[in-house]
Parts: sequence; C-alpha cells; structure tokens
Amino acid sequence: NAGVTQTPKFRVLKTGQSMTLLCAQDMNHEYMYWYRQDPGMGLRLIHYSVGEGTTAKGEVPDGYNVSRLKKQNFLLGLESAAPSQTSVYFCASSYPQGRSNQPQHFGDGTRLSIL
Amino acid sequence: AQSVTQPDIHITVSEGASLELRCNYSYGATPYLFWYVQSPGQGLQLLLKYFSGDTLVQGIKGFEAEFKRSQSSFNLRKPSVHWSDAAEYFCAVGADDYKLSFGAGTTVTVRA
Repeated sequence: NAGVTQTPKFRVLKTGQSMTLLCAQDMNHEYMYWYRQDPGMGLRLIHYSVGEGTTAKGEVPDGYNVSRLKKQNFLLGLESAAPSQTSVYFCASSYPQGRSNQPQHFGDGTRLSIL
Repeated sequence: AQSVTQPDIHITVSEGASLELRCNYSYGATPYLFWYVQSPGQGLQLLLKYFSGDTLVQGIKGFEAEFKRSQSSFNLRKPSVHWSDAAEYFCAVGADDYKLSFGAGTTVTVRA
C-alpha cells in the first residue's frame, strides 16, 4: 500500500543543471499535482494534471515543465535550475473532489537544493 | 479565486492543555475545507475535511473542526494535546474540482 511515492528524496544541483522528479501513485487517481513548499508560504501549486496526457499550469509554473505519459506517473522537470528553485517539492494525487469527495494524498517530498 | 489565512504562525501549548488553530477562508460559495498535519520531514496527512452537512467535523487523532459560514472560518480544535501533536498544521480550501489553496501554516510546539 505505497500511496504516493516520490523519487529522489534529496538532491543537490548546481545552477544551470537539469533534473526530473518522479511521482508515482498506485491509487488509480485521475488527478495529480506538483507543489513547492517554502517557509511561511504554505504549499503553492506548480502544475497539475487531470488525466493521462493532459497538464496545466498552476500558481507558480515558471521554470518547470511536467509530463503525464502514464496515469500513475507525473514527472516534474527543471530544465535549468536556479537558486530560487531551492525548495521542498510535494506530489499529490486525488479523485476529482466534486465527484467523490476525496482529498489529496501527498508523497513525503523531495528536498532540492540549488547551489 | 479562493484563499486561506492562518493568523497564527506559531503556537506553544502545554501538554494536556487544549489547542485551537484558526483558519479563515475567502470564497463566494460553499467551499471544501481541509486540515492537514505535517510532521518534520514528512508529507501532509489529512486530519479532517468538510464538504457539506454537519458543521462540526470529527477527524483523526482526536481533532475536530467547526465550519462557521457567517465568520468564513474553519477552526481546528483538540481538547487535550499530546507531545506527538507537535507539528505544522495547514488549512486548505478547495473550490474547483481539482485545486486547493493552502494557508501558510501554523507551527505547534508542545511543552512538557
């Protein structure tokens, strides 16, 4: 019963490097989300997906790209990392709230430091 | 668009004392409301949720919350705090089918 799994858990990058964060869920949820968490700011939505093959921008999408090639996976990419992207990244998944009254389920996060 | 305010950044409470965390939301219609808890180094865990019906909602770990439409509030309470309740607590409001807006969080410290 894994739920939402994020890999890696920790990563240090140099400015300008690229990387991909992977999120996998085993609950057959349609919706998946990527958030970043910064001190004093709560969680802010980066991108989300309402189904396989579809993605959309959230509140803070600049500098990130996403892909949802399979229903269970949602990838977050940083093409050219910047120090401002140092954060803790959380993936979440859910059924559509209005349809089944299910909340979002969160992974344990990825701590990313950009030097 | 919806928004959430958690007025208290940090609360310290003695073990065994009661706890109340404040949450105010802004949204024109009846929102979906959630409280999540985050222990250090962990993801967010759902404590409770309000969608409709009874405005007093019971959650896990002995927590409850009350939805007050007239005050646009969804405050979280626990009658007797345990040391393991030390964590960060987030209130969230959902309006669309898929997006949540989170408050900035309240950190709870429990002293012996």
